[in-house]
Amino acid sequence: AQSVAQPEDQVNVAEGNPLTVKCTYSVSGNPYLFWYVQYPNRGLQFLLKYITGDNLVKGSYGFEAEFNKSQTSFHLKKPSALVSDSALYFCAVRDLRSGSARQLTFGSGTQLTVLP
Amino acid sequence: GAGVSQSPSNKVTEKGKDVELRCDPISGHTALYWYRQSLGQGLEFLIYFQGNSAPDKSGLPSDRFSAERTGGSVSTLTIQRTQQEDSAVYLCASSSGTSVNEQFFGPGTRLTVL
Repeated sequence: AQSVAQPEDQVNVAEGNPLTVKCTYSVSGNPYLFWYVQYPNRGLQFLLKYITGDNLVKGSYGFEAEFNKSQTSFHLKKPSALVSDSALYFCAVRDLRSGSARQLTFGSGTQLTVLP
Repeated sequence: GAGVSQSPSNKVTEKGKDVELRCDPISGHTALYWYRQSLGQGLEFLIYFQGNSAPDKSGLPSDRFSAERTGGSVSTLTIQRTQQEDSAVYLCASSSGTSVNEQFFGPGTRLTVL
């Protein structure tokens, strides 16, 4: 079975400061990992993904995430937060060894608020 | 190009009525997914279509829920005899079908069952 955890329901950060949104996962095989962002009353938008290769993945809007196999983590980061980054962020995992290989399992989401 | 579209954007219905939610995926995308997002919750997988293969219905919460995909394109999610606990945002997503590719989401249909 595959699962993903986002331990923080809410993250607040001041504009201009670095931000981190945490994600840990559990899979039986190698994971495919994704981050999505959801703005109010909108669908989810893809930010970035890790499939293989470099552990540091760069994505849209200046976001990046670091895959850490030993800690089974895939934290989302940005060096300097913007007020416009305020949104709901979802981490997702897919494990090709599981019966649900075609499905993404999503975390419960982290609400990021960037304070001006 | 056009993204994933869903209709209606909002649906209010009375308990016990049937509802149909529609999804138009991105042209050429062979995979289509339905998810449910309840208030303050993450996304709950409902059903997955891939090409002409039998759909993966493992996420459907009860036999009141069904979905079909006609001609490998448009999909309809049907909820029969709606209950108040069915109130949620129903999201549709499509992808090019390989497991490494990201899913593209529609704006969702907000269903309210009174």
